[in-house]
Amino acid sequence: AQSVSQHNHHVILSEAASLELGCNYSYGGTVNLFWYVQYPGQHLQLLLKYFSGDPLVKGIKGFEAEFIKSKFSFNLRKPSVQWSDTAEYFCASRNSGNTPLVFGKGTRLSVIA
Amino acid sequence: DSGVTQTPKHLITATGQRVTLRCSPRSGDLSVYWYQQSLDQGLQFLIQYYNGEERAKGNILERFSAQQFPDLHSELNLSSLELGDSALYFCASSLGPPDEQFFGPGTRLTVL
Repeated sequence: AQSVSQHNHHVILSEAASLELGCNYSYGGTVNLFWYVQYPGQHLQLLLKYFSGDPLVKGIKGFEAEFIKSKFSFNLRKPSVQWSDTAEYFCASRNSGNTPLVFGKGTRLSVIA
Repeated sequence: DSGVTQTPKHLITATGQRVTLRCSPRSGDLSVYWYQQSLDQGLQFLIQYYNGEERAKGNILERFSAQQFPDLHSELNLSSLELGDSALYFCASSLGPPDEQFFGPGTRLTVL
């Protein structure tokens, strides 16, 4: 069965620090990859997605992620975080086509002034 | 606002009871997905419907059932509730199975 691992349970950063959240997936075939964000008290929102093509994916709010097939990784990055980025971040994968999303356990990001 | 609505927002009930959670997908979306989010299990896929038919099943207990109606809204029925069923239940919708999923605000279920 597919699985998604997020290495960090809780990350605490100061404003303007750079962010990298790790994500590894287990499926070896053609895979679609996603990062979702859940702000406190809100629903999950899609930050970015990778289906095919350029492995460096740009998302909303200055986030980007890089798909490295050889490492089964899809790490999320942001050069300079803001207090408003405080949220829970979920990596998800699925086989291409009609399969459900498999989510990682999430990484809680706290940005302090 | 994702366009996916869920009711109720909060539900408090007792063990052994039965509850129904409701989801209305975004206008035009044919696929509906149900997920359970708990502290220990994280976000887990329960079940998917496409245009009224069940498409995929995940870690859904036999005490749980769902359906998608002709107007495309969906209901998740949870019966013989146990303390461990306390969780956030999310609904998501997409145009079709391979498309991006949009999530609703969730229903927080507390079983006492």
